[in-house]
Amino acid sequence: EAQVTQNPRYLITVTGKKLTVTCSQNMNHEYMSWYRQDPGLGLRQIYYSMNVEVTDKGDVPEGYKVSRKEKRNFPLILESPSPNQTSLYFCASSFFAVGAQTGELFFGEGSRLTVL
Amino acid sequence: AQSVTQLGSHVSVSEGALVLLRCNYSSSVPPYLFWYVQYPNQGLQLLLKYTSAATLVKGINGFEAEFKKSETSFHLTKPSAHMSDAAEYFCAVSAASGGSYIPTFGRGTSLIVHP
Repeated sequence: EAQVTQNPRYLITVTGKKLTVTCSQNMNHEYMSWYRQDPGLGLRQIYYSMNVEVTDKGDVPEGYKVSRKEKRNFPLILESPSPNQTSLYFCASSFFAVGAQTGELFFGEGSRLTVL
Repeated sequence: AQSVTQLGSHVSVSEGALVLLRCNYSSSVPPYLFWYVQYPNQGLQLLLKYTSAATLVKGINGFEAEFKKSETSFHLTKPSAHMSDAAEYFCAVSAASGGSYIPTFGRGTSLIVHP
């Protein structure tokens, strides 16, 4: 089954304790992206990657890191989480070859993070 | 540059009534347009998309949307609302920029369906 898998789905942590949210897709997509969803603000892009070893900042990258060492995986790293990073996080992926896709994204189920 | 505006953060309808969720976009090149739906405690899933074929696009669960270039709109409709349609709906635009199609999302509209 084609899917984007995020882990963990729920996490409560404390300020300053490093954490990683994993994301994996099995559709051979080139493009992967992280979003955060907050009430009234919709989806805001954190980081995206157009292919292996190619990453770039989205709209709200401060306090986050990513890596893309393999095509299928795109982990989101919070080196020193703070309460303002409490949010619902989504990973998404898509084909990216010019002419082969339209920007349609496939989303994971979401990871709800609470930072105390 | 591209952007999306969804009018109304909340829309409330009675069961059986017409659903209309508004989306206007701005794009300097011909866009692709999408509606995604997010049911409670789930991720987003594609409802329908416009990719320059027919301007009236039919999606899942009886939803449809019409691309109107002159109005730069892509409003989502459904003739008769069901309780199960209660969800968050996001409009998105994707337009070629430097060979890429990175999408931009609207802020979402929460559809509330009353019995």
